[in-house]
Amino acid sequence: AQKITQTQPGMFVQEKEAVTLDCTYDTSDQSYGLFWYKQPSSGEMIFLIYQGSYDEQNATEGRYSLNFQKARKSANLVISASQLGDSAMYFCAMREDLVGGSNYKLTFGKGTLLTVNP
Amino acid sequence: KAGVTQTPRYLIKTRGQQVTLSCSPISGHRSVSWYQQTPGQGLQFLFEYFSETQRNKGNFPGRFSGRQFSNSRSEMNVSTLELGDSALYLCASSFGLAGDPYEQYFGPGTRLTVT
Repeated sequence: AQKITQTQPGMFVQEKEAVTLDCTYDTSDQSYGLFWYKQPSSGEMIFLIYQGSYDEQNATEGRYSLNFQKARKSANLVISASQLGDSAMYFCAMREDLVGGSNYKLTFGKGTLLTVNP
Repeated sequence: KAGVTQTPRYLIKTRGQQVTLSCSPISGHRSVSWYQQTPGQGLQFLFEYFSETQRNKGNFPGRFSGRQFSNSRSEMNVSTLELGDSALYLCASSFGLAGDPYEQYFGPGTRLTVT
């Protein structure tokens, strides 16, 4: 069963506007973490933002914020004031906690290709 | 502080050969995870090492193996290469202990082409 769903294969946004990239997840665990990564054409995965399932506040990192709606199992990424350099593939990922141990296995979605137009 | 480094960045191998890829984590990080990225399958978890022990394993055949050294550097090996092993191989490092920050930082990847 697919655990991370990114329904937008591609998105376009005008420079300086905000954009929301969707991510829904499926887990029966109470403790888990959600990540967003950016992958430019060079291939390197760049960590953007992390949200723990018990975090009460939505995570923010500069122009990035994570709209975490636990009941709906969604973790959308909001990029404010888009820049040309934001054009890249964006991946949502989830880490599920193991009973009695640490789990560093990430399950990734298929990604959303964001294009920022001047 | 230096990021995650991976060597080599590019490799071309022939079917049937074997290959070894290397990953040096961020200083202080003890967990190293490996992922395979292909256009068809996306990003898939291979395995994770912590303190020289494999702690978690994905669903890959035994041709894929790894190890970690006492300085936390990790290598992965693929034996008897197949055309389908052509991919970008990414490693990620993290502190690795419960209670530590869970953020994982990726290296630039090794692009392997099997001909």
